[in-house]
Amino acid sequence: DVKVTQSSRYLVKRTGEKVFLECVQDMDHENMFWYRQDPGLGLRLIYFSYDVKMKEKGDIPEGYSVSREKKERFSLILESASTNQTSMYLCASSSPGTAVYEQYFGPGTRLTVT
Amino acid sequence: GNSVTQMEGPVTLSEEAFLTINCTYTATGYPSLFWYVQYPGEGLQLLLKATKADDKGSNKGFEATYRKETTSFHLEKGSVQVSDSAVYFCALSDRGRSGGYQKVTFGTGTKLQVIP
Repeated sequence: DVKVTQSSRYLVKRTGEKVFLECVQDMDHENMFWYRQDPGLGLRLIYFSYDVKMKEKGDIPEGYSVSREKKERFSLILESASTNQTSMYLCASSSPGTAVYEQYFGPGTRLTVT
Repeated sequence: GNSVTQMEGPVTLSEEAFLTINCTYTATGYPSLFWYVQYPGEGLQLLLKATKADDKGSNKGFEATYRKETTSFHLEKGSVQVSDSAVYFCALSDRGRSGGYQKVTFGTGTKLQVIP
């Protein structure tokens, strides 16, 4: 089974802090994604990566950056956390080799910025 | 651009009731369609999928049929259980690729609550 793990389930940070969210997958997937999930808005793509050291902006990249130094690990960075970044953050991975595209998700990190 | 519209929740049903969650989409070309489920405190997991018109995806008693003429992919189950309580997301995947990535567009989710 594909396993996607995220470093924390719950996180509380103060405004202005630098925040790191880590995601690791064990299926050698090329693609990795960061989404945020908010009530009434569904999932919105923040950033994705289709290879080591490669990254692409998603729909809402402002206020975030990412790092992918190893294939299995994809980090989301909030350079200076703000209260409007309080949300559930979901990491996902996939392989472009499959004919039908599907993503495998981690359990999520619920981040609260006070 | 692509979009997915699903019925707003929450949907509250009694155990053994029939379930329908409506989903319609807008897309260019021929997308693949998915239903994901998110149980409380967990991430999303794929429930079922369909890749072309008239395909029927099914899993765990849930079914959805890819209707190109009505651009719909409604989720159905004949008899729901308390354990089906979760949030259900309809999604589509555009077959166009950019750098090996196929964009997935998600609906806003529909919360289902099944009471005994």
